[in-house]
Amino acid sequence: QKEVEQDPGPLSVPEGAIVSLNCTYSNSAFQYFMWYRQYSRKGPELLMYTYSSGNKEDGRFTAQVDKSSKYISLFIRDSQPSDSATYLCAMSAGDYKLSFGAGTTVTVRA
Amino acid sequence: GAVVSQHPSRVICKSGTSVKIECRSLDFQATTMFWYRQFPKQSLMLMATSNEGSKATYEQGVEKDKFLINHASLTLSTLTVTSAHPEDSSFYICSARGDSKIADTQYFGPGTRLTVL
Repeated sequence: QKEVEQDPGPLSVPEGAIVSLNCTYSNSAFQYFMWYRQYSRKGPELLMYTYSSGNKEDGRFTAQVDKSSKYISLFIRDSQPSDSATYLCAMSAGDYKLSFGAGTTVTVRA
Repeated sequence: GAVVSQHPSRVICKSGTSVKIECRSLDFQATTMFWYRQFPKQSLMLMATSNEGSKATYEQGVEKDKFLINHASLTLSTLTVTSAHPEDSSFYICSARGDSKIADTQYFGPGTRLTVL
């Protein structure tokens, strides 16, 4: 079993739809949870960061962490074609070593 | 802020040659840098953690004699793939940890695509 599980998709949605992404994990020591966006042939870009359980909102993006279920989510509202990318969840136990999910490829159709 | 660069962005080499990839933090001092490799449609796999002025810590299964890492300054780390073979072809990405107030975040470089013929 992988430490972090993420459905690779691909996920295709029409412009304006809500994109829902999620990851599950097995390591209960994880306390820092991140979402990165990666465009093709580019390095990952930090999108959202959450410490411990709870919700965090930043513009069209909402990140949720449920540590009791070991489940994290990212929602993108009013999706745009420019949101088309691969979204990677990542998490850490506080030692700066990140464990990544496989990444979900998202396409927003105009 | 928190910009990380990599050079070269793409390199093609013959089997048996060595290739050096540079990773620089442009606007902050990086006490720790990380090297990852990423195969097509797969996630990032951590290869090693590099701390300035000390030896790198390699992940299990990564050959330290094949992937030489040097972190000589707070803004530069290098990865040298020695005696490269076609199976070493991959996307290599570095990241840096700085003095960010956001704990455990890493800032990633744009990656280097290595193709070994």
